[in-house]
Amino acid sequence: DIQMTQSPPSLSASIGDRVTITCQASQDITNHLNWYQQKPGKAPKLLIYDASNLETGVPSRFSGSGSGTHFTFIISSLQPEDIATYYCQQYDNIVPYTFGQGTKLDIK
Amino acid sequence: QVRLQQWGAGLLKPSETLSLTCTVFGGSFSGYYWGWIRQPPGKGLEWIGEINHSGATNYNPSLKSRVTISVDMSKNQVSLKLSSVTAADTAMYYCASSRGYSSSWYYRFNNWGQGSLVTVSS
Repeated sequence: DIQMTQSPPSLSASIGDRVTITCQASQDITNHLNWYQQKPGKAPKLLIYDASNLETGVPSRFSGSGSGTHFTFIISSLQPEDIATYYCQQYDNIVPYTFGQGTKLDIK
Repeated sequence: QVRLQQWGAGLLKPSETLSLTCTVFGGSFSGYYWGWIRQPPGKGLEWIGEINHSGATNYNPSLKSRVTISVDMSKNQVSLKLSSVTAADTAMYYCASSRGYSSSWYYRFNNWGQGSLVTVSS
């Protein structure tokens, strides 16, 4: 299985801050990476696909970059509604698809 | 616009079989693979498996011996069965589209059901 390691596991930030989450794959996955946002009690929501493409309807303050084994997810200016847990997910090897362990983001 | 609605038994005893069904509304049922993902309370996401409209399946090797995913195209439904459950199978279970086709295959979970909480307890 391809292991996905996210950091940090949790993060506190202030409204308006720039927030950065990283995801490291255990092997080269080119750009085969997606990012999701999950709010409490809700299903995950796709934000970024193919490492850097913004899903339709997702605010432009969210962005993703990276390739190979190292990936970055950025919120350029944190808003109150961004409080959630964020997950990366690889699809280079689909059996199995694997997720990072999540980064829980809250307000400082 | 694709919408997924899922249901199934929420409380099971150890050794019983988990059974969940997901109905897909809107979109092209045959244009996607449909998968199941679970999330134990307070923990991360684990992919269980997927199926397409013709019944081709892929399963997570860690669960393969206990999982069966099936499809009923006449009802736009996908079903999950997980046998011999234990407390470790207690989780929120989601159905989701795992890949779609639009001139080529793309891989992302971009349509999700509302989730079904399954608790295994004696």
